Amino acid sequence: AQSVTQLDSHVSVSEGTPVLLRCNYSSSYSPSLFWYVQHPNKGLQLLLKYTSAATLVKGINGFEAEFKKSETSFHLTKPSAHMSDAAEYFCVVSDGNKLVFGAGTILRVKS
Amino acid sequence: EADIYQTPRYLVIGTGKKITLECSQTMGHDKMYWYQQDPGMELHLIHYSYGVNSTEKGDLSSESTVSRIRTEHFPLTLESARPSHTSQYLCASSDHGTQETQYFGPGTRLLVL
Repeated sequence: AQSVTQLDSHVSVSEGTPVLLRCNYSSSYSPSLFWYVQHPNKGLQLLLKYTSAATLVKGINGFEAEFKKSETSFHLTKPSAHMSDAAEYFCVVSDGNKLVFGAGTILRVKS
Repeated sequence: EADIYQTPRYLVIGTGKKITLECSQTMGHDKMYWYQQDPGMELHLIHYSYGVNSTEKGDLSSESTVSRIRTEHFPLTLESARPSHTSQYLCASSDHGTQETQYFGPGTRLLVL
């Protein structure tokens, strides 16, 4: 069975500094992995998706994630945080038909 | 514009009432899903459908029921709401095939008094 572990429930960064949101996954076969973002009172929005193509995936709003099979990780990064990045981020693995969500990481961006 | 819609966005209702949460998508997607999300928690799949007349229960047990009479419509019904049903309900859809991206609606926040 697939599962994901988001290693930090809260991350706080200053505006203009790098963002790192950590995610480890467990999968019995080559997984599809996603990062979704949820702003307050808004629906989930897809940031990026990995499906066994390039291991470095670029998403929207300057985010990217690197798939590392040896570490079973799919960490989300951004070189420079913006105030509008403050939201909750979910790492997600697909079992082929259903999505399995991590517990989420709340990103706070300080001015 | 292709999109996925949920109504109502917010609902406050008394115990014992019957409620239906609406979800519609204009993307022609075959697959649709309902998730439940408690505050500060991850999403849990409660129902899904692979197409018209197809409905399946998800990973999290739920007292709600769903129907899929039309491709674009996937309503969720609670026959008798209880305070334990208070949560956020998110609807999603995806195209046929595996590993397809799911697109989410804005959600319905339900409060049962």
